[in-house]
Amino acid sequence: RKEVEQDPGPFNVPEGATVAFNCTYSNSASQSFFWYRQDCRKEPKLLMSVYSSGNEDGRFTAQLNRASQYISLLIRDSKLSDSATYLCVVPTDSWGKFQFGAGTQVVVTP
Amino acid sequence: ETGVTQTPRHLVMGMTNKKSLKCEQHLGHNAMYWYKQSAKKPLELMFVYNFKEQTENNSVPSRFSPECPNSSHLFLHLHTLQPEDSALYLCASSQGPQGLSTDTQYFGPGTRLTVL
Repeated sequence: RKEVEQDPGPFNVPEGATVAFNCTYSNSASQSFFWYRQDCRKEPKLLMSVYSSGNEDGRFTAQLNRASQYISLLIRDSKLSDSATYLCVVPTDSWGKFQFGAGTQVVVTP
Repeated sequence: ETGVTQTPRHLVMGMTNKKSLKCEQHLGHNAMYWYKQSAKKPLELMFVYNFKEQTENNSVPSRFSPECPNSSHLFLHLHTLQPEDSALYLCASSQGPQGLSTDTQYFGPGTRLTVL
């Protein structure tokens, strides 16, 4: 099993709709998690951190399910500018080492 | 603007060339990282520096040689690369282990490297 797994997508979402996708992780000791967004040919940018059961920032909601070892990201009222690849990042037991998922591509269509 | 800059943004080099990538962070962080991102693959950690000391070398071939003269600057020296080394090379920085337990990384724009 990969340490961090994501559905690569693409998730094709009509503008204004809601989309959600998951990230599963293998290290049950992980305490914090991150969602980054990466636009085509650009660097990853931090979207939100998830430390406890979840986090909400505007139209974006991240939830953590420790029992099943996954985190989810939900985007409400999707905008065209939300089109990107969303990377799930999980710290490892070794400081400085983060496991990155391969990303979930979201395409918001008019 | 994330506060992490990288130069050059694009680089084309032959297999016999020697070149260097530069990264600078203006965030007052103590830790810096080099990652490689190949198409459709997860980011691969290459090197980690904390307070100028290398703490991680993730089995990277010796044709990649990092240098960290201070906490704000990080270099990646390249020599005798192979075509399969073509990728996006990303630099990142974070507060470091002395900061919050939830250390967060901030990335530079990357150098897109093509090896001919």
